[in-house]
Amino acid sequence: GAGVSQSPSNKVTEKGKDVELRCDPISGHTALYWYRQSLGQGLEFLIYFQGNSAPDKSGLPSDRFSAERTGGSVSTLTIQRTQQEDSAVYLCASSSETGTYNEQFFGPGTRLTVL
Amino acid sequence: GQSLEQPSEVTAVEGAIVQINCTYQTSGFYGLSWYQQHDGGAPTFLSYNGLDGLEETGRFSSFLSRSDSYGYLLLQELQMKDSASYFCAANNTNAGKSTFGDGTTLTVKP
Repeated sequence: GAGVSQSPSNKVTEKGKDVELRCDPISGHTALYWYRQSLGQGLEFLIYFQGNSAPDKSGLPSDRFSAERTGGSVSTLTIQRTQQEDSAVYLCASSSETGTYNEQFFGPGTRLTVL
Repeated sequence: GQSLEQPSEVTAVEGAIVQINCTYQTSGFYGLSWYQQHDGGAPTFLSYNGLDGLEETGRFSSFLSRSDSYGYLLLQELQMKDSASYFCAANNTNAGKSTFGDGTTLTVKP
């Protein structure tokens, strides 16, 4: 079946503009995660959804970042007034279980470049 | 908070065995996962330890000791294609959140 998809694959924007990143999880997966990965670095947790609700938003770097999920499926990550330090690869993952064991399936990521 | 420590780089030769260690400090802990990421690719799941002991999956094995807050990934019969970054991730009791280490870059040489 289809894996996790993300769009766009690449986004170049100017400082101060808003961007929207989209994630389509694997069908039936109830959990959805957003991470950020800077070049050569680890994965920085941003936010996690269980269904349409976000029990954990602790990783969002600032109030310029927001995310939503509708219909228990597609999620969008919005970054307002982008800054150069927002440049990174934004990865989305989904999983079918949470708690004791949650193998996460990752999408290919969106590479964001803020000029 | 949570933090995981793993070596930044490891080098080994084809056919050898390599062990990548991971120590963690977490406020809540369910288990330890391992992911592989090739350059430019997405992370892919390798292994999970929810209980102490060794889990074996083909050439890869993973170990966990909760009392020592320590785990490792063991890669046997190394192949060139194993050159990648390897991340340990602590699964939190806060239902679903995973905290990742900074990754270990494994270079396999002929």
